[in-house]
Amino acid sequence: DAGVTQSPTHLIKTRGQQVTLRCSPKSGHDTVSWYQQALGQGPQFIFQYYEEEERQRGNFPDRFSGHQFPNYSSELNVNALLLGDSALYLCASSPPPGSGAEQFFGPGTRLTVL
Amino acid sequence: AQSVTQLDSHVSVSEGTPVLLRCNYSSSYSPSLFWYVQHPNKGLQLLLKYTSAATLVKGINGFEAEFKKSETSFHLTKPSAHMSDAAEYFCVVRETDSWGKLQFGAGTQVVVTP
Repeated sequence: DAGVTQSPTHLIKTRGQQVTLRCSPKSGHDTVSWYQQALGQGPQFIFQYYEEEERQRGNFPDRFSGHQFPNYSSELNVNALLLGDSALYLCASSPPPGSGAEQFFGPGTRLTVL
Repeated sequence: AQSVTQLDSHVSVSEGTPVLLRCNYSSSYSPSLFWYVQHPNKGLQLLLKYTSAATLVKGINGFEAEFKKSETSFHLTKPSAHMSDAAEYFCVVRETDSWGKLQFGAGTQVVVTP
């Protein structure tokens, strides 16, 4: 079992550009959550996808959007990048919400906005 | 609304001595509580979780935590620190009726000296 995988590992963008990050959940998991971890801070919840729909959203602007595919993998899109979007973006997968099972995290994608 | 406060941003211990990481939480409902560890350039790993069963929870690598409802605390301890315990530790809360949104504390950086 490969666990949760994310791509790319690192990327560098400039202000105003758009970026897409990808996540494949752990085998047997169908729920994907995304978190943003700024330097020196704890992760902040962005949103969660289940059955290809956004089920819950944190306090992030509409520039942050996502998608879940039928194979449960997910993408996080960020438009009109700002310097403050520089962070480690973490993907977590879990069984269906309400199962009580914990979330498994991927290694993250380090985004730098110049 | 739920929140988590980690009372120490940095903790320094000598190898072989006890470790105590303090966490207080605020929750409107009966929460689930977790401790995650993050080693440099690695993903978040679950140490232990509390989900309304036994108040003393044992985790991996010799860590344990005690849920104290009267004090709204969930402190993490280990009797004897090892060099490999040097990492960032996060206390996390999840509402039981939540679709799975995790609320992270700001983190405690643990340094272990020989």
